[in-house]
Amino acid sequence: DGGITQSPKYLFRKEGQNVTLSCEQNLNHDAMYWYRQDPGQGLRLIYYSQIVNDFQKGDIAEGYSVSREKKESFPLTVTSAQKNPTAFYLCASSIFGEMNTEAFFGQGTRLTVV
Amino acid sequence: KNQVEQSPQSLIILEGKNCTLQCNYTVSPFSNLRWYKQDTGRGPVSLTIMTFSENTKSNGRYTATLDADTKQSSLHITASQLSDSASYICVVSAHGSGGYQKVTFGTGTKLQVIP
Repeated sequence: DGGITQSPKYLFRKEGQNVTLSCEQNLNHDAMYWYRQDPGQGLRLIYYSQIVNDFQKGDIAEGYSVSREKKESFPLTVTSAQKNPTAFYLCASSIFGEMNTEAFFGQGTRLTVV
Repeated sequence: KNQVEQSPQSLIILEGKNCTLQCNYTVSPFSNLRWYKQDTGRGPVSLTIMTFSENTKSNGRYTATLDADTKQSSLHITASQLSDSASYICVVSAHGSGGYQKVTFGTGTKLQVIP
């Protein structure tokens, strides 16, 4: 079945460590996105990619990095520079440009810094 | 600044009752508005999407309305079920450059349906 998969579902990280969240989709979507969700706030865009080997910063990119080497994959690295990394991270994909189409979301990764 | 405000923040209703969730936005230039349902600890799932010319759209027991003049949308849930307990997020897109749209998420309304 087609879909978008995030792994792992739960992730614990020690302060000062980098950690990479996985996002894979087999929907043949060109565009992929990473959002962060905190209690009482709307989803905030971290990075997005409209095409392979290209990505753009979103509203809160500081302390994060991404790569888009394959159409199907858009991993997010949370670096030690991210001051408050504990959050629920959501990956999404859509047909190019997210015009009048919907975005499909993964099930999320809950990252906790200990 | 593009903003999407939802009300109420939370709502508790009895199973079988109807309810209406509100969404006000100041996003410009408007492209489309979507309602998503998000179960706790899971990703959002799309319920409806409406463009400027559409003022109502249904998906089963969910009916969304859009008033582009007043920049308001509502999501009406009919004959609520326990499985409707979730957060409902209003998402508004604005036209951007290069085919990419600027998307603004509301903070959501947390609905709890009780027996």
